[in-house]
Parts: sequence; structure tokens; C-alpha cells
Amino acid sequence: EAGVAQSPRYKIIEKRQSVAFWCNPISGHATLYWYQQILGQGPKLLIQFQNNGVVDDSQLPKDRFSAERLKGVDSTLKIQPAKLEDSAVYLCASSLENSGAAYNEQFFGPGTRLTVL
Amino acid sequence: GQQVMQIPQYQHVQEGEDFTTYCNSSTTLSNIQWYKQRPGGHPVFLIQLVKSGEVKKQKRLTFQFGEAKKNSSLHITATQTTDVGTYFCAGPEYNFNKFYFGSGTKLNVKP
Repeated sequence: EAGVAQSPRYKIIEKRQSVAFWCNPISGHATLYWYQQILGQGPKLLIQFQNNGVVDDSQLPKDRFSAERLKGVDSTLKIQPAKLEDSAVYLCASSLENSGAAYNEQFFGPGTRLTVL
Repeated sequence: GQQVMQIPQYQHVQEGEDFTTYCNSSTTLSNIQWYKQRPGGHPVFLIQLVKSGEVKKQKRLTFQFGEAKKNSSLHITATQTTDVGTYFCAGPEYNFNKFYFGSGTKLNVKP
């Protein structure tokens, strides 16, 4: 079974430029997560989708970050404009549909390492 | 805001020694999950505990969920070099659809 796919794997940009990341979850997984993991820290949830609806985006810096999952399958995360502090690994994860407080096991992709110069 | 802290931040052990990491949440969690992240890798799910006071074992690993569902622990008996990595607890805040990862404990095992 194919895992969570992410691209690109690495990206280097200058501050104030824009960047986009793509994620294709495991087939049949209704829930998709985007995390930001700064070196030495735990993943921080940016946004959680269930099908094509947003469940939680309370930690997404909406002035510069946006995410969409138009057809309820793959998703893109965009940063515009990027700042130095956005340098991190951006992880995408997917799971079977969550029901209420019962969260399912999350499967993570390899991540995109972003460096902002 | 909600915080999930883990102690210790780092642990260096000799192969064969035991290891424990503790997870403490500032608010009640609906359930707790544990993940392992190898150096340069991505988090991999280990286990989920749902009930207050629940204890689960996976070979040399023992997981516990506190009675108040605000803390948890992972204990590894007789560590091996393959146990090297960072261990994260994670879970959804009770009554809120908000999922948090802990700060992580990095384990190094010397052969």
C-alpha cells in the first residue's frame, strides 16, 4: 500500500518569496493534517481537514499561510510571503475518518524541508 | 494556551538500561497516542490509550495513561540501539477538535 506522498522534499527560498507544498494522503483516508516541525521541537498542527472541510486551523498563521483540499483528496499548503522563522520541516499526515473525540492513528509523509534565507 | 510537555528532554543510556519518558498536559486529553521519530525520519505511530488508568505493553515497551487523563508515560525495559530516536506523546484536547504533540524526549543508546 502506498504511503503519504509529499513534494518537494527540499526547498530553499529567500524571505518574502512564496512557496507551495503538495500532499497526497493514503487512499481512503478522510482526515489530512499539516504540521510544522521546527528543529528540536515537536510537530505543531497547522490545519486539519476532514474530507474537504476544515476541522481545526487555530494555529495556522492566516496572514501568510493558506491550505486547501478542494476535492477531499490531495492538499496544498502555501506560504506567502515567507519569513526566516518559517524554516522548518512541513509534515503531512493522514488517517481514517475521526469520529468525535476518537482520533485514529496518523500516517506521516517524509516531509518537506524548507530553508528560508 | 494548551501545552504538552515531556521530560526529560534528552536521555543518554547504556544499552541494556531502562528508560522512561513522562508526558504532562495542561488540560485533559480525550486519548493519548505515542509516536517515535528516528533521526532524519518522520513520526511513526506506536500506540493509543483511551481509558483513564489504562496500561498497554508492546514487547519491551510499557505505556500508561493517567487517571486524570492529563499525563502519560512510556517505559522501555533493557534498551537496544534500535530504540534510538525521539519519542512524542500526542492527543486531542478533551471536548475540542484540537490535536497537540508533546515536546518530545530524545533517546540515545550507547552500545
